[in-house]
Amino acid sequence: DTAVSQTPKYLVTQMGNDKSIKCEQNLGHDTMYWYKQDSKKFLKIMFSYNNKELIINETVPNRFSPKSPDKAHLNLHINSLELGDSAVYFCASSQDRLLVYGYTFGSGTRLTVV
Amino acid sequence: AQRVTQPEKLLSVFKGAPVELKCNYSYSGSPELFWYVQYSRQRLQLLLRHISRESIKGFTADLNKGETSFHLKKPFAQEEDSAMYYCAPTPASGGSYIPTFGRGTSLIVHP
Repeated sequence: DTAVSQTPKYLVTQMGNDKSIKCEQNLGHDTMYWYKQDSKKFLKIMFSYNNKELIINETVPNRFSPKSPDKAHLNLHINSLELGDSAVYFCASSQDRLLVYGYTFGSGTRLTVV
Repeated sequence: AQRVTQPEKLLSVFKGAPVELKCNYSYSGSPELFWYVQYSRQRLQLLLRHISRESIKGFTADLNKGETSFHLKKPFAQEEDSAMYYCAPTPASGGSYIPTFGRGTSLIVHP
């Protein structure tokens, strides 16, 4: 059983479109994250939710809107996609926000905006 | 301010050579320290945590509080070790903070 699963794995779309990425974890973790990995492999946190509460929102354009219907799910909706949004988006979870035991990552969603 | 530095963007060695991937951090208190590995086009995986004091796939990492470093080492590199390696400290003690990864070091092990 996959611990943190993301869908879709690949997403190719045109500029201006709206798209969503879904993430689910079956680990019983309290905290979930969205990370963006750019073409230089830098990892930058975008959002974090702890028990459905937004706790980190890191200077991300408001075209990006996370939603956590329950603590096992964290989705990312992106409006008006731009070329610069092309990246790999990783969902992750941790037992709690203190990260004492580290992250468990999903397999990533490779977004290409054309 | 919290900061984590991986000075080498790329490390290229031959099979059987020793490897050291450097990580320096600037965090208040006593952070917990992790190394993550990402094989080509795969997810990031936890490689090792300082608190566990374990050796995974032959890798070890020693915390040097004086130098605020947590370098990752392996005495004899293998081709399958080729991957991106990320250092990631966390405060592990509450308060507000922004989780940060180092910029990553790409390790290439040549046959």
